[in-house]
Order: sequence, then structure tokens, then C-alpha cells
Amino acid sequence: GAVVSQHPSWVICKSGTSVKIECRSLDFQATTMFWYRQFPKQSLMLMATSNEGSKATYEQGVEKDKFLINHASLTLSTLTVTSAHPEDSSFYICSARALLERTYNEQFFGPGTRLTVL
Amino acid sequence: GNSVTQMEGPVTLSEEAFLTINCTYTATGYPSLFWYVQYPGEGLQLLLKATKADDKGSNKGFEATYRKETTSFHLEKGSVQVSDSAVYFCALTGNNAGNMLTFGGGTRLMVKP
Repeated sequence: GAVVSQHPSWVICKSGTSVKIECRSLDFQATTMFWYRQFPKQSLMLMATSNEGSKATYEQGVEKDKFLINHASLTLSTLTVTSAHPEDSSFYICSARALLERTYNEQFFGPGTRLTVL
Repeated sequence: GNSVTQMEGPVTLSEEAFLTINCTYTATGYPSLFWYVQYPGEGLQLLLKATKADDKGSNKGFEATYRKETTSFHLEKGSVQVSDSAVYFCALTGNNAGNMLTFGGGTRLMVKP
């Protein structure tokens, strides 16, 4: 149980285009979903936190107009990288926190999406 | 604020060697502590966790003990395998629903046959 999927797993796009990444909790309902960015050989950097039905909370330094987050249901959150540029190339990882009492406070991670902007 | 410090890698070991990856933390209250593993090209997988002082988390031969007196959560394995080669992240989260995961910088483990 507690599986999180991401789609696509890998995307290559041209500079200036927008890319949408989906994060789904497959077998549980997630009160909160998190989006992280990971540069090569570095740790995860939290970008934003999203709660179902409300606006995402962005970390300092993350442009909310650049990284649009929608959390339309308890099982789906999307991250849209608008007008992507080569510096946006990175590994984007989502996680979801479950409503399950036994997993209180635990985050379950998706497999990640590698974005390459040409 | 909360912070996690773990030893820098890479750590290179021969198969069947003993592994220790140090992790210390700074946090208010009583955090929960985690070790995550990331295999090449993949997301993070929870390896083990401990939610209170003196708890020992264990999984797949790995173990770590929550030491409040030394604010540490060192990861150990008695005999590593080539398949253990990955990046290991120590992390913590506070003891209320609003707190986020705070990650250490990650330690790359390379196990040679």
C-alpha cells in the first residue's frame, strides 16, 4: 500500500514550452502533497506544499507563477513548469502524506520526473 | 529551525564490509527520524524510521537507533552488498502534522564486488 506514481517519468521539451507533471496517490487519499526539486548529486529541495482544494504554499525563492501547482483532488496534484528554460532542467519528485493513522506524518514518494529543457 | 547533517560521500566499500553512515540532527521537541534510499534514476524509498527516543528502526539488514542524548540516528549494516549501492538520505519531521521533512545532504554509497 501507499504507492505514489508520477507521470511522465522523463520529458524533453523545447525552451519556452510548458510541461505538466502529474503526481497520484494510487491506493490512499493524501491530505497534503509536496513537490521537491533535486539537482544532480544534491539533496531534495522542497518547492511547495499543496493541500487539496486550496492554494499551494511555496518555499522562499520559488516562483509561483513559474511553477503552477494544482491539487484538485485527494489523489492528484499537478506541477506545471511554465515557459521552461534550460535552467529548469532537473529531477522533480513529489510526495504525499496519507490520512492513515498508522502512517501519521509519513510521506510517500513518487519515482520522480526528469525534465530536460533544450 | 530543524536541520540534518550527514557525512559526505562517496563512501566506497567492498562487499560484505560493515557500513556506518553518520547522521546528526537539530530539532525542537521530539522529531521522527527517517532514512531514505534513492537508487540511480529513481525516487526515494523509505528504508527505516524511528518515532521516539531509543527506538531502533530496521529493514533489509539496515538499522538505526534514535539517540536523543547525542541527537543522532546513524545508519548501520553489518555486511553490505553491491545492490546496496545508492544514495542514502537522513531526514526528520516534527511531531505535528504541519511540519515538513527536513533532509540531510545525502551520502552516496558505492559497494564494489
